[in-house]
Amino acid sequence: KAGVTQTPRYLIKTRGQQVTLSCSPISGHRSVSWYQQTPGQGLQFLFEYFSETQRNKGNFPGRFSGRQFSNSRSEMNVSTLELGDSALYLCASRTGTANYGYTFGSGTRLTVV
Amino acid sequence: KQEVTQIPAALSVPEGENLVLNCSFTDSAIYNLQWFRQDPGKGLTSLLLIQSSQREQTSGRLNASLDKSSGRSTLYIAASQPGDSATYLCAVMGNNNDMRFGAGTRLTVKP
Repeated sequence: KAGVTQTPRYLIKTRGQQVTLSCSPISGHRSVSWYQQTPGQGLQFLFEYFSETQRNKGNFPGRFSGRQFSNSRSEMNVSTLELGDSALYLCASRTGTANYGYTFGSGTRLTVV
Repeated sequence: KQEVTQIPAALSVPEGENLVLNCSFTDSAIYNLQWFRQDPGKGLTSLLLIQSSQREQTSGRLNASLDKSSGRSTLYIAASQPGDSATYLCAVMGNNNDMRFGAGTRLTVKP
């Protein structure tokens, strides 16, 4: 059974640009969550999507957005990149109910220069 | 707002030692608690998931306990090995489907 797949693994972008990250969940998983991980702030919740609807949202500015497609794949977009957006972005999927744990992808390392 | 704290922040032990990692949380109204392992620059690997109705879970040399009333969980690692060196993260799932993470414990097992 394939795991959670995140693409690309590494990205280098310039300040002011925008970026789109992709996450393919485990087959059958309908919930996809996104997290930002930095050395200073640790793991911070961005948002969760379930059945193409945003179900929960963390405290990030509107530059961070996401969406989920009918096949449960999700994308995360960051516009007007800032140096502080440099981080490891992790995607996690689960079946959709709280009784089951998360499975994480390997992450996308974003560097903003 | 749920706050998750992990102590110690870092731990270094000789190979073969048994050890305990601690996790505490402020809101006892949780669905479950999950322990993860993270190697440098990599994603998170799930180790154990404890439902709110359970007291402990075991997998190989790992045992995790949960005491909801006191807001505590422990991860016990028996007979530690150098390959166990990683950062261990505790995560609590709340009523609003929001998973909160601790800052992690960085474990080094010396040969």
